[in-house]
Amino acid sequence: KNEVEQSPQNLTAQEGEFITINCSYSVGISALHWLQQHPGGGIVSLFMLSSGKKKHGRLIATINIQEKHSSLHITASHPRDSAVYICAVRGGGATNKLIFGTGTLLAVQP
Amino acid sequence: SQTIHQWPATLVQPVGSPLSLECTVEGTSNPNLYWYRQAAGRGLQLLFYSVGIGQISSEVPQNLSASRPQDRQFILSSKKLLLSDSGFYLCAWSVNFWTSGISYEQYFGPGTRLTVT
Repeated sequence: KNEVEQSPQNLTAQEGEFITINCSYSVGISALHWLQQHPGGGIVSLFMLSSGKKKHGRLIATINIQEKHSSLHITASHPRDSAVYICAVRGGGATNKLIFGTGTLLAVQP
Repeated sequence: SQTIHQWPATLVQPVGSPLSLECTVEGTSNPNLYWYRQAAGRGLQLLFYSVGIGQISSEVPQNLSASRPQDRQFILSSKKLLLSDSGFYLCAWSVNFWTSGISYEQYFGPGTRLTVT
């Protein structure tokens, strides 16, 4: 079993739909990241959070430390949101190493 | 502002040939540096990380090595490539600060797509 599990692995949505991607982890963490990988491969950091909830535009990330679970929500989805969304967790220590989930491939159709 | 560069962007190499991928960071000092690989259909895997010049830690045994000859330069190398070395290689950096419990963003480079034929 991977230390970081994401679901679903693949997701197809219609433009305008509300989207949820889930991430569960089995290790103690100091922070959790949500990353977006575009078809060309470039990775952009969307959120880094260690508690509660963060919002940026149409994106919302939540984390429940007790349940070791995080969700990424996209409101009013758009075809340009199509990408792979990756959950990654970091343990303690100054090395800042990340453990990655395998990603969720999202396709938003017009 | 900080920027991270990787080159080349794409590379096709025959089995048994050497490899050198370079990553440089601008606009920061003494960063933590990381090399990741993403094999086809798989998640990102940490290969090496460095907390300072000449300090390299390897996460998985493999055919690759890393070096940090300068503060903001991180190089991934191989003497003889294998087919299994094909993948997408990403370099990343983060702030280097020895304070427990404080987490820092990692910033990723554009990546190098390596195909070993």
